[in-house]
Amino acid sequence: QLLESGGGLVQSGGSLRLSCTASRFTFRTYAMAWVRQAPGRGLEWVSSISGRDGSTYYADSVRGRFTISRDDSKNTLYLQMNILRAEDTATYFCAVLVITVTARYFDPWGRGTLVTVSS
Amino acid sequence: EIVLTQSPGTLSLSPGERATLSCRASQSVSSNYLAWYRQKPGQAPRLLIYGGSNRATGIPDRFSGSGSGTDFTLTISRLEPEDFVVYYCQHYGSSPLYNFGQGTQLEIK
Repeated sequence: QLLESGGGLVQSGGSLRLSCTASRFTFRTYAMAWVRQAPGRGLEWVSSISGRDGSTYYADSVRGRFTISRDDSKNTLYLQMNILRAEDTATYFCAVLVITVTARYFDPWGRGTLVTVSS
Repeated sequence: EIVLTQSPGTLSLSPGERATLSCRASQSVSSNYLAWYRQKPGQAPRLLIYGGSNRATGIPDRFSGSGSGTDFTLTISRLEPEDFVVYYCQHYGSSPLYNFGQGTQLEIK
């Protein structure tokens, strides 16, 4: 189970930190990801972090502004979002990123937290 | 950059009918890294198919995935009322690392 928190209303140029608390699985062994969905729009991968060595990856649209991290002792995934723009307005979902030799997919997903950036 | 294009944008069918949803990649991709999700209004997406054709846990066998190269298909053999939601395909590649199609809305005719 995944539960996001930290969303809210922030002004353009501001910062926000999202959290995703995991339960009922061995968090530290899994890669994790953030995926967002602007109102009425489709899904966009934002960032992911590996479970083994903490390697991080970002979409071009957020690289340099967002930072993904994890605290395995707290079973928690984070997304630090800086220099927020109106186009970052979206529901942010955290998800387990399943990586096998023959597949990569997101399962399960949290319920999401809404971030609204006012301009 | 690989672009995933889903068609049609909206598909109008009746319960009990068969649905065929398309996901076309702008260049050849591996079916191993192709997944399908559905999303009910106000909810998170849920995994349906991974590895191109493998059903996720708890997904009924009326859902099936197929395809290779640039053309992939999600088929729902007999539509149930709860199937009339939005479906997304997703691929793991290089740029962007994880890519989603724009979605197909399945609506009741």
